[in-house]
Amino acid sequence: EIVLTQSPATLSLSPGERATLSCRASQSVSSYLAWYQQKPGQAPRLLIYDASNRATGIPARFSGSGSGTDFTLTISSLEPEDFAVYYCQQRSNWAITFGQGTRLEIK
Amino acid sequence: EVQLVESGGVVVQPGGSLRLSCAASGFTFDDYTMHWVRQAPGKGLEWVSLISWDGGSTYYADSVKGRFTISRDNSKNSLYLQMNSLRTEDTALYYCAKIYGDYNYFDYWGQGTLVTVSS
Repeated sequence: EIVLTQSPATLSLSPGERATLSCRASQSVSSYLAWYQQKPGQAPRLLIYDASNRATGIPARFSGSGSGTDFTLTISSLEPEDFAVYYCQQRSNWAITFGQGTRLEIK
Repeated sequence: EVQLVESGGVVVQPGGSLRLSCAASGFTFDDYTMHWVRQAPGKGLEWVSLISWDGGSTYYADSVKGRFTISRDNSKNSLYLQMNSLRTEDTALYYCAKIYGDYNYFDYWGQGTLVTVSS
């Protein structure tokens, strides 16, 4: 099983600031990595797929980068609605796994 | 509009069985692989199982292999998860999810159905 480790566990920032979230895989997943946003009481929302492609309707302030084992989700300028939990997910094989999540909270 | 509506979640004793259902609408159901993903209360996401568009291929997380069975009925636009030998650690909100295009990422999720395994 491929283990995804996200860091930091919690990130405290203010609106307007830049957020950088990390996801590291225990072995290469090529570019087969996605990022999701989850708000309380809601299902996750797909933001980025295949490491760097924005899903339909996702604002341009969200961007993804990386390949192999190291990946980054960047939110260029935080909006109030961006404070949530973020998960990475790999699909390099059928045994799909998620990271443990990063909580992005308002400072 | 794509809709996924799960049902069947209840309180069940350890060792018991349960069948979850997911009713799909707003897309061509038999074009897509479908998945179950769960989330224990206050915890992260855990992938459970997938089934190919025709039901010919199924895969399971090690944590449920041999106890859970995924199936689908394309004539009814429905996905199922038969859960046997339930354990307390199976307590979670169970989501069905549709894949994004041909990729095993998830662009639509249901609202989830809560399974509680407790004596």
